[in-house]
Amino acid sequence: AQKVTQAQTEISVVEKEDVTLDCVYETRDTTYYLFWYKQPPSGELVFLIRRNSFDEQNEISGRYSWNFQKSTSSFNFTITASQVVDSAVYFCAPDTGTASKLTFGTGTRLQVTL
Amino acid sequence: NAGVTQTPKFRILKIGQSMTLQCAQDMNHNYMYWYRQDPGMGLKLIYYSVGAGITDKGEVPNGYNVSRSTTEDFPLRLELAAPSQTSVYFCASSLNQGSGANVLTFGAGSRLTVL
Repeated sequence: AQKVTQAQTEISVVEKEDVTLDCVYETRDTTYYLFWYKQPPSGELVFLIRRNSFDEQNEISGRYSWNFQKSTSSFNFTITASQVVDSAVYFCAPDTGTASKLTFGTGTRLQVTL
Repeated sequence: NAGVTQTPKFRILKIGQSMTLQCAQDMNHNYMYWYRQDPGMGLKLIYYSVGAGITDKGEVPNGYNVSRSTTEDFPLRLELAAPSQTSVYFCASSLNQGSGANVLTFGAGSRLTVL
C-alpha cells in the first residue's frame, strides 16, 4: 500500500533560520511524481514544485530547495533564511495513479516569528 | 482568467438539507476534482472527472454526487447533509497533456457547516 508521511506536525522558527520539512512516501511503484503545496493562513493552496521519481537532482528556487532521495523514499523541503511570510501549512502530495489524483499528507504547520 | 471559481464561500446547513457547491474553471482544463479538508488534516479526494460526461469516485465519495455536463463546470451535490460533512471543500482543475502528472489549480474553497 502507498503511504505518505509528514511526521512533523508543527515547527516554530525565528526569522532568518533555515528549516527543513520532511516527507516520506512509501510505494512499490517505480515511477511516480511528488508535489509540494503551500496553504497560507488565507486558505488557498499554492503549487510549489513537482518532481518525478527519475530525477534525484536537488532543485533550488530562490530560498526554497528540495532534496529527493528515492532510496529512502524522502522528498524534503528546505527554506533558507525563513521569513514571516513563509508561515503556512505545507503539504507533500504524491500523484498516486491515473488522472493526476493527489494524495495529501497531513501537512506541517510552519510558524515563523520575528 | 478567473481560474477556478467556487461558490458559495460559506454556507451553514441544517441536518438533512441538500445543497450544491458550484465550481467553474475558465482555463479549458479537462480534469476536475473535488477535495475536502477537515480541520488539521490534509485534503481527501471526493470525486474527479477526466472530461465532460465522465466522473469517478475518489477516496471519500459517500454522501456526495457530481456531474460534468460541460468542460467548465463540476458541481458537487450534498444530499441529506450530516455533521460529518462539515469541512472546507476545494475544487481543482488540471490540463492533461499526456506528459506526466498535471499541476492542479485550486479554487479558494467553500466552508460548509452542518448543524
